[in-house]
Amino acid sequence: DTGVSQDPRHKITKRGQNVTFRCDPISEHNRLYWYRQTLGQGPEFLTYFQNEAQLEKSRLLSDRFSAERPKGSFSTLEIQRTEQGDSAMYLCASSPDGRREETQYFGPGTRLLVL
Amino acid sequence: AQSVTQLGSHVSVSEGALVLLRCNYSSSVPPYLFWYVQYPNQGLQLLLKYTSAATLVKGINGFEAEFKKSETSFHLTKPSAHMSDAAEYFCAARDTGRRALTFGSGTRLQVQP
Repeated sequence: DTGVSQDPRHKITKRGQNVTFRCDPISEHNRLYWYRQTLGQGPEFLTYFQNEAQLEKSRLLSDRFSAERPKGSFSTLEIQRTEQGDSAMYLCASSPDGRREETQYFGPGTRLLVL
Repeated sequence: AQSVTQLGSHVSVSEGALVLLRCNYSSSVPPYLFWYVQYPNQGLQLLLKYTSAATLVKGINGFEAEFKKSETSFHLTKPSAHMSDAAEYFCAARDTGRRALTFGSGTRLQVQP
């Protein structure tokens, strides 16, 4: 069990560019979550996958954001036409299925800076 | 919608002193409750969680939290602070039937020598 991993750890981009982040969950965890954390705030929920199905999306997830989990393993989060307001830490978490109180295990995050 | 309030964005204690970090949730139905710790440039690590089995929950690193339904609270305590406890602490709630965690805005704990 190597934990949740995220790549890249840091990304600097210019406004208007597209960026893609990857998350590899803990193996055999079939639930995967994306959160966004801005400076001085707690993480905010973006979206949730059960296997490959995207079951819930926050209204924070504008149409410039898209997330996929094509084979129910790793997930990608793409931001198109980045804006300075997209600068944040993007956190991925995973959890096993089958328990009501299951714990979400977080990765180290990808810190995005949009110039 | 659920909201989580953490009173005090910064708490400073002396090494060896009691740590008390406050958390209140808003829902009338008790949610699942969690405390996470975040060290600089790292992700969130679970300290402990409340799942209705017991109102006093013990976690890692000597932390514990008590669920009080009448006060809609889940405050985090540690009897004796250590320098290594300096970090940001987040309280989170998850309503039954939902998957998303709702986080408070965090409390930064400083430990003075």
